[in-house]
Amino acid sequence: GQNIDQPTEMTATEGAIVQINCTYQTSGFNGLFWYQQHAGEAPTFLSYNVLDGLEEKGRFSSFLSRSKGYSYLLLKELQMKDSASYLCAVRDQDRDDKIIFGKGTRLHILP
Amino acid sequence: DTAVSQTPKYLVTQMGNDKSIKCEQNLGHDTMYWYKQDSKKFLKIMFSYNNKELIINETVPNRFSPKSPDKAHLNLHINSLELGDSAVYFCASRKQPGPGHEQYFGPGTRLTVT
Repeated sequence: GQNIDQPTEMTATEGAIVQINCTYQTSGFNGLFWYQQHAGEAPTFLSYNVLDGLEEKGRFSSFLSRSKGYSYLLLKELQMKDSASYLCAVRDQDRDDKIIFGKGTRLHILP
Repeated sequence: DTAVSQTPKYLVTQMGNDKSIKCEQNLGHDTMYWYKQDSKKFLKIMFSYNNKELIINETVPNRFSPKSPDKAHLNLHINSLELGDSAVYFCASRKQPGPGHEQYFGPGTRLTVT
């Protein structure tokens, strides 16, 4: 089967660091994406991991462990504009290359 | 120079009606998708086309029929609309199937069925 789990909601303070976890179980795996979605807007791409390890892109980093079926998105120096939902998505090569999304984590930033 | 566009942005209609949503991408991508995002914000794939050919058809009622006249367009026609069809429908495109290549999403069409 397919399952992608993320926390439903998280709260953090402006200027702090937050880590959003994602665990997945899919029949085939060929890459994991993180997307950001502000309320009422379309998802936008943040990062892509296909090999184990950490990918850093400015204030955002994403980590993948394929053996553990685990990823996290790390956001540093949080800003109010980072208040959004963060969607973990897995490319399942055994399912016609389908990209399966988790239910998203709604992140609230407090001043 | 919008990358992925959808029309209309909002659609309010009554149960039993038939409606269409249009999607166009000017990125030269080969693959296009339709997703449904329900009130709980869960983004669920419905269909995927690669070069006008249907490659993913999830368990979607056959009241939903996608059509791709060319690789830059993917339209969604919905017959006999039901209350449960109320959601935001996102079109997306991707350069091609295969590793990497993130999806680019359109702005969404908020469908309300009354």
